[in-house]
Amino acid sequence: LAKTTQPISMDSYEGQEVNITCSHNNIATNDYITWYQQFPSQGPRFIIQGYKTKVTNEVASLFIPADRKSSTLSLPRVSLSDTAVYYCLVGDIPGDGYNKLIFGAGTRLAVHP
Amino acid sequence: DGGITQSPKYLFRKEGQNVTLSCEQNLNHDAMYWYRQDPGQGLRLIYYSQIVNDFQKGDIAEGYSVSREKKESFPLTVTSAQKNPTAFYLCASRTLGGGAEAFFGQGTRLTVV
Repeated sequence: LAKTTQPISMDSYEGQEVNITCSHNNIATNDYITWYQQFPSQGPRFIIQGYKTKVTNEVASLFIPADRKSSTLSLPRVSLSDTAVYYCLVGDIPGDGYNKLIFGAGTRLAVHP
Repeated sequence: DGGITQSPKYLFRKEGQNVTLSCEQNLNHDAMYWYRQDPGQGLRLIYYSQIVNDFQKGDIAEGYSVSREKKESFPLTVTSAQKNPTAFYLCASRTLGGGAEAFFGQGTRLTVV
């Protein structure tokens, strides 16, 4: 399983763009990158998934450089409701990595007025 | 409505007692997971199952047991052997081969009194 490293916490202000970077130096060829969001006392919610370059949906964008050793989750114009913990997962579909769905410590994002 | 349901939401247990947490899904998902989350920490995998009548230990299986007699049900028993069972427990499910998008229940908060 590829190990991931994220910042423990980040702070931002309403209306700003937030970029959370995840390091995964030993990512394998078949590995995908997935991000989840978790609010207090709730289960995590899937945000976005990608393999290379850029993926965008209605919630976020995911940027993956050519060497795939890191990825960046971009949240445009955050609001107070984006205050949450964000998890980066790396694993093979449908290999053992994603079958286990291992979550790390995540990044605690605090958005301030 | 399709979804994944955990019950009860809050559970109190006396030391030395076994307790079973319920997890039911009507999403027709193959894989199901149990996680434990302690305050301010990430999710740790207890058990997971990819098919009926089969399950695998996660990183912290000691003191826990599961069964998968039906595709839609994956109950978790916290036994008296678990030394520190007070925690937030989360159940998740997903379709194998469908990417890493998992759906989580609302969680059960277990307190040992």
